[in-house]
Amino acid sequence: NFMLTQPHSVSESPGKTVTISCTRSSGSIANFFVQWYQQRPGSAPTTLMYDHDQRPSGVPDRFSGSIDSSSNSASLTISGLKTEDEADYYCLSYDSSNQVVFGGGTKLTVL
Amino acid sequence: QLQLQESGSGLVKPSETLSLTCAVSGGSVRSSGYSWSWIRQPPGKGLEWIGYIYRSGDTYSNPSLKSRVAISVDRAKNQFSLGLTSVTAADTAVYYCARSGRYSLFDDWGQGILVTVLS
Repeated sequence: NFMLTQPHSVSESPGKTVTISCTRSSGSIANFFVQWYQQRPGSAPTTLMYDHDQRPSGVPDRFSGSIDSSSNSASLTISGLKTEDEADYYCLSYDSSNQVVFGGGTKLTVL
Repeated sequence: QLQLQESGSGLVKPSETLSLTCAVSGGSVRSSGYSWSWIRQPPGKGLEWIGYIYRSGDTYSNPSLKSRVAISVDRAKNQFSLGLTSVTAADTAVYYCARSGRYSLFDDWGQGILVTVLS
């Protein structure tokens, strides 16, 4: 099975830009779509990004996703940070045997 | 609008079986093209995928839990269920049910149910 590694925490000031990485341990990041979820305290997660870089309806364009095959990683970038963006963020992907893996999660602090 | 609601015992003794049900409203487990999933989150920790099932009955589960997990669908009651055998304190978590959708594997989520394993 593969793993997805995220930084445990990141912090940035309001109005700034932050990027959260998600590195895949084996298997090509490009071959299996990455999804990103946002989880606010006490709530179920919600979908932020799918198919690497696609935003569901209703997700602001301050959120963007990308992949980098050279580092076998995906990234979630949040620009124009707002205090309401403070949450936990999880990447997710899968493999050819339909195994699903979440990254360990990144706690974003907006200070 | 799809709604998912978890129910079941919130307290399970070690070595016993955890049993949860996810009631579906505003949608049908008979619908094609969707997967119906279970995810859990230990207190203060990250999300862990448990497994999912299709309307055909095909199931896929986390290899680390596979030998203890059973997921089933009840079309008559429009719900799906999770069984986890031989539980230990490490299985204490909030358990979520979810459905895939237009965007992702887990477009819609239940509110979650805390299950504590305690003697």
